[in-house]
Parts: sequence; C-alpha cells; structure tokens
Amino acid sequence: GENVEQHPSTLSVQEGDSAVIKCTYSDSASNYFPWYKQELGKRPQLIIDIRSNVGEKKDQRIAVTLNKTAKHFSLHITETQPEDSAVYFCAATVSGSARQLTFGSGTQLTVLP
Amino acid sequence: DAGVTQSPTHLIKTRGQQVTLRCSPKSGHDTVSWYQQALGQGPQFIFQYYEEEERQRGNFPDRFSGHQFPNYSSELNVNALLLGDSALYLCASSIQTGANNSPLHFGNGTRLTVT
Repeated sequence: GENVEQHPSTLSVQEGDSAVIKCTYSDSASNYFPWYKQELGKRPQLIIDIRSNVGEKKDQRIAVTLNKTAKHFSLHITETQPEDSAVYFCAATVSGSARQLTFGSGTQLTVLP
Repeated sequence: DAGVTQSPTHLIKTRGQQVTLRCSPKSGHDTVSWYQQALGQGPQFIFQYYEEEERQRGNFPDRFSGHQFPNYSSELNVNALLLGDSALYLCASSIQTGANNSPLHFGNGTRLTVT
C-alpha cells in the first residue's frame, strides 16, 4: 500500500518568511495530492490540492509542487502570518480508489511574530 | 449550507464496551469516509461508504464496522473497545463523480477515550 513520509515534523519561521514542507510517497500510481491544515481542536481543512498531470499549483500565498519522477511533493507558504500556525498534513491517493487518503505524520508550523 | 456534522463530540468508554459514532455529510454529498486520528498522528483511513455499501477498507480489524443510511448519514461502530482505540474519529464526506471523488470535507470529529 501507499506510504507517505512528511518532513519536518516541526517548523518555526519568523512572520513574513517562507515555509516549505516536503512529502514523499511510495506508490507510483498515486495521482492526487491534497494538503490539509488542522488548527488545535479543529477539523482538517483542505487548503490546496494537485493532480499528477500538473507540476505546480498556486493559490495566493500557498503553492504546491509535484515531482512525479522523484515521487515527492511540497507545500510552500510565502509571507507567513501568525494565523498560519497549525499542523499541516500532506496526503496521497490513487483516484478511483474512492479517495482512500494516506496521510503523512504532520508538520507543526509555528509563525513567530 | 451545513457542513459535516458528527456526534457526540466527546465520549468516554470502558475497555470491552461498544460505541457508536454518527455522521451527517455535507449537503449534496453522497459518500462518507471514516478516519482514526491518534494524538500527534495523521488520520488513518478506516473505511468508506457509498450507496449504503462499504466500498473500501483500510487496515482495521472487524471490530470496526459501519453503516450508511438512505439519507447518506453514517455510523461507525467499534466493539470490544481497547485502550488503543482512544483517538479522534473523523468523518469526511464527498461526492462520487465517476472515478474521481470530489475533495474530502471533514467534520470536527468525536474524541473517544477508552479507560
């Protein structure tokens, strides 16, 4: 089955700096990669996703890049703000497998004011 | 537009007991997935229901079972509770659109504590 590894487990940045979180996956058939943000005591919320036919996707301060050959994908957050502080999870799945997401272990991002 | 709702929010059970968790999907969604999230870990897929049938199942024992009702709501049942079943149980809904489901929308979860 799919295995997703996520690094780093914790990340502290100064407000205004950029943050990068990296994930690798094992199943070359995986073709859908969402990122979720989970604030303490709250639900995971989808912040951006990418399909394998696209190499990069941006949404305002958030971008995701995908390297299918190397089987890794990354989340980039620019101009970080204190409200970006949360746990971020990457995930992978093969579309058609009923969205059986395999999640990474999470990254605790802290944005220092 | 109501999102995914789960009940109860918190639950305390004793080892060996049985528990039922409930989920109502987001309006317009027809597919419900259940995930277990242990403290400090990412969610782990338990199973998914569509058209009142279990469609996919993760690596969980038969003690974990579920049901989907005609109104798309769902229940997760866990029998013979173990201490290790203590976790946040998340329900997620989506729309089945051919081979590609829509993105998952999660509920706030049920925090289960087994003592």
